[in-house]
Amino acid sequence: DADVTQTPRNRITKTGKRIMLECSQTKGHDRMYWYRQDPGLGLRLIYYSFDVKDINKGEISDGYSVSRQAQAKFSLSLESAIPNQTALYFCATSLGGGASYEQYFGPGTRLTVT
Amino acid sequence: AQTVTQSQPEMSVQEAETVTLSCTYDTSESDYYLFWYKQPPSRQMILVIRQEAYKQQNATENRFSVNFQKAAKSFSLKISDSQLGDAAMYFCAYYINAGNMLTFGGGTRLMVKP
Repeated sequence: DADVTQTPRNRITKTGKRIMLECSQTKGHDRMYWYRQDPGLGLRLIYYSFDVKDINKGEISDGYSVSRQAQAKFSLSLESAIPNQTALYFCATSLGGGASYEQYFGPGTRLTVT
Repeated sequence: AQTVTQSQPEMSVQEAETVTLSCTYDTSESDYYLFWYKQPPSRQMILVIRQEAYKQQNATENRFSVNFQKAAKSFSLKISDSQLGDAAMYFCAYYINAGNMLTFGGGTRLMVKP
């Protein structure tokens, strides 16, 4: 079984709809991250969480919110989806801070906003 | 603004030959790490190789090696004896401990010809 899972894997939604992307992990890591991937731009950090009570904005947090329901679960919400939020979204986890701790990525969620 | 630049959107290599992917970055920090990630068609992000900026010796992982030029802020990836399974998007990234985030380049798509 995968250590970092994301649901759904693919989603098509309409402009203005609220949508939640979910991430679960069985690695026991404290740190979790949400990234967005766009062609030519690589991955950009949306939000990250060091533990259940510590949530931080990343590079591109506008239009997004997150919830850390438990150590193992980190959800990303789009309150009112817009077409330029069409992208591939990745969740990642790490055991600790610093680059010596590898980030482990989920399989990604492809979101299309029409 | 993007501070990791991959100037080659696409590269191709003949099977069994060697290819080098380029990456330059811009940071004023002295404590950072550099990474190459591979993203095959499955979308999974896979860590290929990591380099600590304070180490002068270039990192090597089997057929993958880097050429780290700190003064020039350059971090290229060399793939030797290319295999069909090496075909993927490759992302260069750095992690600054003070920033708590990975910063990615825009990616290079590598095609391997049989």
